[in-house]
Amino acid sequence: NAGVMQNPRHLVRRRGQEARLRCSPMKGHSHVYWYRQLPEEGLKFMVYLQKENIIDESGMPKERFSAEFPKEGPSILRIQQVVRGDSAAYFCASSPRGPGYEQYFGPGTRLTVT
Amino acid sequence: QKEVEQDPGPLSVPEGAIVSLNCTYSNSAFQYFMWYRQYSRKGPELLMYTYSSGNKEDGRFTAQVDKSSKYISLFIRDSQPSDSATYLCAMALYNNNDMRFGAGTRLTVKP
Repeated sequence: NAGVMQNPRHLVRRRGQEARLRCSPMKGHSHVYWYRQLPEEGLKFMVYLQKENIIDESGMPKERFSAEFPKEGPSILRIQQVVRGDSAAYFCASSPRGPGYEQYFGPGTRLTVT
Repeated sequence: QKEVEQDPGPLSVPEGAIVSLNCTYSNSAFQYFMWYRQYSRKGPELLMYTYSSGNKEDGRFTAQVDKSSKYISLFIRDSQPSDSATYLCAMALYNNNDMRFGAGTRLTVKP
C-alpha cells in the first residue's frame, strides 16, 4: 500500500510565478490536510479537504492561496504570484476518518522562491 | 503563550539511554495526542496516537498523557542512532480539523 505521495519534491519559482503542489492520499483515504513548515518551526495547518469539498481553510492566507481535491486525481495546493516568504516545506497528510484521527504525511514539497 | 510548548533541544544522548521528550499545552479541551518522528528533509511519521490519559506502549516507545497537568511525554528505551531525528508532538480537539503541533525536539543518539 503506497503511502501519501507528493510531487514535485522540490520546486523553484521566481517571484510572481505560480506554484502548483500535488498530493495523492493513501488508498482509501478521503480526507486531505495541507500544512506549511518553516525552518525551526512546527507544522502549521492550512486547509482541510474532502473529495470535492473544502471543509476548513481557516489556516490558509486569503489571497494568492487556493486548494482543491477533485473527484478524480490528486489534491492541488496552488500559490499564485509567489513571494519570498512563501519559501517553505509544504506537507500534505491524509486520514481515513477525518478530524481528530491519525494523519499520515507525505514526503513534502520544498518550495524555494528566488 | 503558545498553545503547544515543546523544548526544541537539541538533545544528545549515548546509545542505549532512555530518552524523555515532553510537551505542555494550554487548551484543556485537547483530546487526541500524537507523536511524530521526522527525519531530516522527510515527512513526519506517526509514532504514537492516544486518546485518553495514561500510558500507551509500542515496542521501545511509551507515550504518556496527563490531562490534569496538560503534559504529554514520549519515552524511548534502549535508544539507537537510528532514533536520531526531530520528534513532534501534536494534539487536536474532538472533531476539530486543526491539529496543533509543537515546534519539535531534535534528538541525536551517539553510538
